[in-house]
Amino acid sequence: AQSVTQLDSHVSVSEGTPVLLRCNYSSSYSPSLFWYVQHPNKGLQLLLKYTSAATLVKGINGFEAEFKKSETSFHLTKPSAHMSDAAEYFCVVSGITGGGNKLTFGTGTQLKVEL
Amino acid sequence: DGGITQSPKYLFRKEGQNVTLSCEQNLNHDAMYWYRQDPGQGLRLIYYSQIVNDFQKGDIAEGYSVSREKKESFPLTVTSAQKNPTAFYLCASSIFGREGQPQHFGDGTRLSIL
Repeated sequence: AQSVTQLDSHVSVSEGTPVLLRCNYSSSYSPSLFWYVQHPNKGLQLLLKYTSAATLVKGINGFEAEFKKSETSFHLTKPSAHMSDAAEYFCVVSGITGGGNKLTFGTGTQLKVEL
Repeated sequence: DGGITQSPKYLFRKEGQNVTLSCEQNLNHDAMYWYRQDPGQGLRLIYYSQIVNDFQKGDIAEGYSVSREKKESFPLTVTSAQKNPTAFYLCASSIFGREGQPQHFGDGTRLSIL
């Protein structure tokens, strides 16, 4: 069984300050982990993925995430927020079930960026 | 550009009516998925298909049906048995059978009740 918990449903930051979106996971297997971003009335866009290579993963738009097995965490960070980063972010864990890649989604974190 | 196309963007359903949501992909992916998104609940899997002419129920399949006659297409029918169909529906696709493959998403269809 696998699950993912996003610890904050809403995060608010000022433009130019760091962003931290927190995610904890549970998985019976060595997991693959993803962060997706969703802008209003749009689909999900892949930000970055972890698949058992380097534990620090760099993604698009200056985002990165660090896989910490001992803490079962995969937090998303960005050094300096931009207004265009305002969106909903989903942490996702992938597990292998009979050859398929079933995704389990967190409930999302809404990021607000203020001037 | 390769991608996933969902249509229509907005759809309205009357009582007792079945409606069909379209999903087409030109990424040459074997696997396709349908999700339902409700506010504050993340995405929930309705149906998925790993190969043409085969599909499996996800976590919330009741009141929905699908077909997979072509690799590129995976339409979803919301039947009259689905009593609470108002939601944002997302279609996705991925490479099948390899660990760690991300899913690629369309821009969604928003379904409302008239």
